[in-house]
Amino acid sequence: GNSVTQMEGPVTLSEEAFLTINCTYTATGYPSLFWYVQYPGEGLQLLLKATKADDKGSNKGFEATYRKETTSFHLEKGSVQVSDSAVYFCALLPGSNYKLTFGKGTLLTVNP
Amino acid sequence: DGGITQSPKYLFRKEGQNVTLSCEQNLNHDAMYWYRQDPGQGLRLIYYSQIVNDFQKGDIAEGYSVSREKKESFPLTVTSAQKNPTAFYLCATLRGEGSQETQYFGPGTRLLVL
Repeated sequence: GNSVTQMEGPVTLSEEAFLTINCTYTATGYPSLFWYVQYPGEGLQLLLKATKADDKGSNKGFEATYRKETTSFHLEKGSVQVSDSAVYFCALLPGSNYKLTFGKGTLLTVNP
Repeated sequence: DGGITQSPKYLFRKEGQNVTLSCEQNLNHDAMYWYRQDPGQGLRLIYYSQIVNDFQKGDIAEGYSVSREKKESFPLTVTSAQKNPTAFYLCATLRGEGSQETQYFGPGTRLLVL
C-alpha cells in the first residue's frame, strides 16, 4: 500500500536558521506529492505541491523537489521566521484513486 | 467568498448522544472527505465521497455515518457507538483536474465529550 514517512519532531530552530524536514514515500505508479502546513487550532493549508519527477514546488520561501530515484520530497527553507512555527505534513495522492495518504506531521518551533 | 465552512468550531457531546458536524463548500468540487486528527497521529480518513449519493468508508469508519444528498454538503454524524470521539475533525474537498488534483481543508471542528 501507500505510505509516507516524515522525520519525527519536534524541530526547534532559531530565527534565520536553515530548515529541512525529510519526507519519503512508498507508492505504486506516479503519485502527486504535497506539503501542508497547520497553524494552531486551524485546518491544513496547502503549502506546495509537485506532480511529476524532478518537479520543484515552491511557496513563501519553502521548496521541495520530487525525487523519484530516492522516493523523497524533502521540505527546505533557507531562513525560517517565528511565523513559520506550525505543524508540517507531507502527503501523496496516487494516480489511481482520490485518497490522500499523510505523514504524521512534524512540529516546527522557531525561536526569536 | 469561496471556501469550506465547518460548524460549529467547538462541539460538546454527552455520553450516549449522537452529534452531527456540518461541512459546506461552494468550490464546486466533486469529492469531499472527513478526517479525524489526534495528537501525534496525523490525519486518519473516516469517510469520503466522490459524487452525490455515493460515499465510501475510510480507515476508521466505525462509529461514524455520513450522507451526501447535495454536492455542497457532507455532514458527519458521530454516533454513540464511537467510544472515543474526542478529537479535531477536518473536512476537505478535492479539485480533480488531471494533474491539478489538490485537496483543500476547512477550519475544523473540535469535539469534546462531557
